Amino acid sequence: LAKTTQPISMDSYEGQEVNITCSHNNIATNDYITWYQQFPSQGPRFIIQGYKTKVTNEVASLFIPADRKSSTLSLPRVSLSDTAVYYCLVGPVGDSSYKLIFGSGTRLLVRP
Amino acid sequence: NAGVMQNPRHLVRRRGQEARLRCSPMKGHSHVYWYRQLPEEGLKFMVYLQKENIIDESGMPKERFSAEFPKEGPSILRIQQVVRGDSAAYFCASSPHPNEQFFGPGTRLTVL
Repeated sequence: LAKTTQPISMDSYEGQEVNITCSHNNIATNDYITWYQQFPSQGPRFIIQGYKTKVTNEVASLFIPADRKSSTLSLPRVSLSDTAVYYCLVGPVGDSSYKLIFGSGTRLLVRP
Repeated sequence: NAGVMQNPRHLVRRRGQEARLRCSPMKGHSHVYWYRQLPEEGLKFMVYLQKENIIDESGMPKERFSAEFPKEGPSILRIQQVVRGDSAAYFCASSPHPNEQFFGPGTRLTVL
């Protein structure tokens, strides 16, 4: 499974756009990139998943360059409630991919 | 449809006692996973179960830890003779198929 590297922490202010980058230099051809969000005292929650180019949903956007060696989670206009830990996971998708591998994640602090 | 439920949310045990953690999956989900999270770290896979079967327990310590998912009732993660190093947050996830996991709020175990 591909190893991921993300910043340990980030600070932002309400209303700003936040971009969290994840490096995954040895990503495999059949690997997808998935981001989870974890609030204090809660379990992780799926945010977004993608394979290449750009994916957007109601919560975030995921940008993946052509070489797929990195990806960027973009959170538009963050609020205080977006303060959480964000995890980037890289791995295959399918019946054999149940063993989710979480790194240490990026602790995002949104200030007023 | 209620989410994944775990109880208790907080559990305090003295060294040598037993800890029983319960997980009720979402309705219709027959796959259950247990993860452990130490402070400031990501979640680590422990075990994957389907009804009455352990599919993969490769992440679970060989001694003192056991898990079950009976035909009726919740999944149970059992830790015998707890030690201080067992103090952690234990998360359960469930899914209708292996590819999509929904996490519960976790049980925080403290061993005195």
